[in-house]
Amino acid sequence: KAGVTQTPRYLIKTRGQQVTLSCSPISGHRSVSWYQQTPGQGLQFLFEYFSETQRNKGNFPGRFSGRQFSNSRSEMNVSTLELGDSALYLCASSLDRIGGNTIYFGEGSWLTVV
Amino acid sequence: KNEVEQSPQNLTAQEGEFITINCSYSVGISALHWLQQHPGGGIVSLFMLSSGKKKHGRLIATINIQEKHSSLHITASHPRDSAVYICAVEERADKLIFGTGTRLQVFP
Repeated sequence: KAGVTQTPRYLIKTRGQQVTLSCSPISGHRSVSWYQQTPGQGLQFLFEYFSETQRNKGNFPGRFSGRQFSNSRSEMNVSTLELGDSALYLCASSLDRIGGNTIYFGEGSWLTVV
Repeated sequence: KNEVEQSPQNLTAQEGEFITINCSYSVGISALHWLQQHPGGGIVSLFMLSSGKKKHGRLIATINIQEKHSSLHITASHPRDSAVYICAVEERADKLIFGTGTRLQVFP
């Protein structure tokens, strides 16, 4: 059974640009959640999608957005990139909502903003 | 003060030693997760627990809901256990709050 797949794995963007990251969950999983990891702030919750609906969002500006498709695949988008957006972006999937379920993480997308 | 505190931040051990990593939290939770992150970024879920104790191989996780505290134990540690161990709590059914992690190095 394939795990959670994130693409691209590495990317470099310039300040002001936008970026789209993709996440394919484990087959049959309906929840996809996104996280940002930086050396200074550690891991932080971005948002969770379930049944194509955003269920919750962390304390991030509106530049961070996402969506989920009918096949549960998810994308997150960051517009008007800032240097501070450089981070490892992780997505995770679970069979149902995060609550009370094991979550499975992808390998992450390393974003560098220059 | 962080809602989820882990201790110690860094831990060095000799192969074979018994290791304990602690996690304390200040919010009401529905469950707690222990995660392992190896260099390169990938995160593996070790345990998800809401009460009592769970064991998987050499790993044991316990939680005391009343005291808002959880521990992760590694028996007979091995160099391959070297990683960052992260505690995460479910404050609501759909949001995780993470600790800052404990960096473990096990030397042969």
